[in-house]
Amino acid sequence: EIVLTQSPDFQSVTPKEKVTITCRASQSIGSSLHWYQQKPDQSPKLLIKYASQSISGVPSRFSGSGSGTDFTLTINSLEAEDAAAYYCHQSSNLPLTFGGGTKVEIK
Amino acid sequence: QVQLQESGPGLVKPSETLSLTCTVSGGSISSYYWSWIRQPPGKGLEWIGYIYYSGGTNYNPSLKSRVTISVDTSKNQFSLKLSSVTAADTAVYYCARSAINWYFDLWGRGSLVTVSS
Repeated sequence: EIVLTQSPDFQSVTPKEKVTITCRASQSIGSSLHWYQQKPDQSPKLLIKYASQSISGVPSRFSGSGSGTDFTLTINSLEAEDAAAYYCHQSSNLPLTFGGGTKVEIK
Repeated sequence: QVQLQESGPGLVKPSETLSLTCTVSGGSISSYYWSWIRQPPGKGLEWIGYIYYSGGTNYNPSLKSRVTISVDTSKNQFSLKLSSVTAADTAVYYCARSAINWYFDLWGRGSLVTVSS
């Protein structure tokens, strides 16, 4: 099973700041890494697919990068509505697995 | 647009079987993979397994001995059964859609299932 380790677990950020979340895979997964946003009491929403590909309807301040074992989700100019938990997910190998999540709080 | 809706009992007794159904509305269940994913309160996401519309399945080894996922294409539904539940199975259970690429582009709203006597 591929283990995904996210960091940090929690981040408190002021609006307009830049946020960087990392996800490290226990083995190489190419670019089969996807990012989700989960707001309180909502289901997860796909933000980025295949490490860096944008999703229609997702604000352009969200971007992803990386390949192999190290990946990054970046939120440029954080907005209040971005308060949420963020999860990475690998689809390279079964079983499908998720990172432990990063909670982003707005100061 | 396509929507997913989970349904089933919100309370299950220990040692019994948890049963949930996901109804696909606004579109066909064909040509996609349909997964169950769960999230214990305050914790992260765990993939339980998937079923292809034609019936092929794959389960997370951590739950494989207790999980059955089935599909009813005539009703545009797929279902989850998890046997011998304990308090550790208390979670919000989501149904979700993916294609062969395996990322989840559509999720249900989730159904909280509590295991308690």
